[in-house]
Amino acid sequence: ETGVTQSPTHLIKTRGQQVTLRCSSQSGHNTVSWYQQALGQGPQFIFQYYREEENGRGNFPPRFSGLQFPNYSSELNVNALELDDSALYLCASSSQGLAGELFFGEGSRLTVL
Amino acid sequence: GQSLEQPSEVTAVEGAIVQINCTYQTSGFYGLSWYQQHDGGAPTFLSYNALDGLEETGRFSSFLSRSDSYGYLLLQELQMKDSASYFCAVEKAAGNKLTFGGGTRVLVKP
Repeated sequence: ETGVTQSPTHLIKTRGQQVTLRCSSQSGHNTVSWYQQALGQGPQFIFQYYREEENGRGNFPPRFSGLQFPNYSSELNVNALELDDSALYLCASSSQGLAGELFFGEGSRLTVL
Repeated sequence: GQSLEQPSEVTAVEGAIVQINCTYQTSGFYGLSWYQQHDGGAPTFLSYNALDGLEETGRFSSFLSRSDSYGYLLLQELQMKDSASYFCAVEKAAGNKLTFGGGTRVLVKP
């Protein structure tokens, strides 16, 4: 069974740039969620994808967008980066039959200068 | 508004018992999950309660009272490896879209 993998693990960008983060979900999981975790805080829900459609969104602006592909992998795109976007971005996959249980990747740590 | 409250930090010695409380105020409630996160690591799932009562999984137990909007995670026979941050998270509707609390940092001392 392959776990959730994310890339890149670390990256540095400057204000105004754009970034794409990638995630491969755990085998057998058709739902992918993205979370932002600032240092010392809990993960904040960005959005969820189910069967290639956005299936819920948290309190994040439209410059945060995503995609899910037929193989259930996913991308998170952030445009016009701001300093406050510096955080750990976590991808989590889940199955409809496992309530409350998310399988997280190790995350992509983004630093915006 | 929506909020989850949990203590910011707890310190205990090896072998002790720690209880991490979580109170929530959300627009909907489906279930309460608990996650563990070591520094630099990914959050890992510990437990999920949808109904009132106690769920036991090895040294860790989780409790929920829906009427009190309250739950707790009980860590027994503490070990050094239990030093980590622990998060409660509410599932407001079916579909695993979780709202996390700010986390409780547990420090286990010898």
